[in-house]
Amino acid sequence: DVKVTQSSRYLVKRTGEKVFLECVQDMDHENMFWYRQDPGLGLRLIYFSYDVKMKEKGDIPEGYSVSREKKERFSLILESASTNQTSMYLCASSKSWGTQYFGPGTRLTVL
Amino acid sequence: GENVEQHPSTLSVQEGDSAVIKCTYSDSASNYFPWYKQELGKGPQLIIDIRSNVGEKKDQRIAVTLNKTAKHFSLHITETQPEDSAVYFCAAPKIAGSARQLTFGSGTQLTVLP
Repeated sequence: DVKVTQSSRYLVKRTGEKVFLECVQDMDHENMFWYRQDPGLGLRLIYFSYDVKMKEKGDIPEGYSVSREKKERFSLILESASTNQTSMYLCASSKSWGTQYFGPGTRLTVL
Repeated sequence: GENVEQHPSTLSVQEGDSAVIKCTYSDSASNYFPWYKQELGKGPQLIIDIRSNVGEKKDQRIAVTLNKTAKHFSLHITETQPEDSAVYFCAAPKIAGSARQLTFGSGTQLTVLP
């Protein structure tokens, strides 16, 4: 079974802090994704990576950056957290085409 | 890029009844339409998908239909059970012809009442 794990289920940070969200997949998938989930807005893509050190901006990249130094690990970075970044963050991975496998999510609260 | 609209946002049905969720897409060249189910406290999981060369696909109590002319596709759940209660998302390729990235609908909260 594909397993996608995220470093934290719940996270509380203060405005202005630098925040790291980590994601690890164990199925040698090329593609990894970071989404943000908000009520009524569905899943919105923040960043996408199709290979080590490669990344593409998604629909809402402002205020976020990413890092992929190893194939199995994809990190989302909030350089200076703001209250409007309070949300559920979901990581996913996939082979070259098709089914995306999601982690359980990290609920981030920025105070 | 693709635009996906999903309706309704919430749906309540009696146990044993059927549930239907509909999505429309904008790019007529799109060719892959998956449905994901998100249970409470978990990430979304693929439950069924359809490619544009077929009009309907079934897997036990769930089915998906595709109308390419009207650019819409639907999820049908028959004989609903309490464990069907979840949020359901439809999706379509962000760029037609490539399913590497997906555009998701806004989600439907399905509640199956005992």
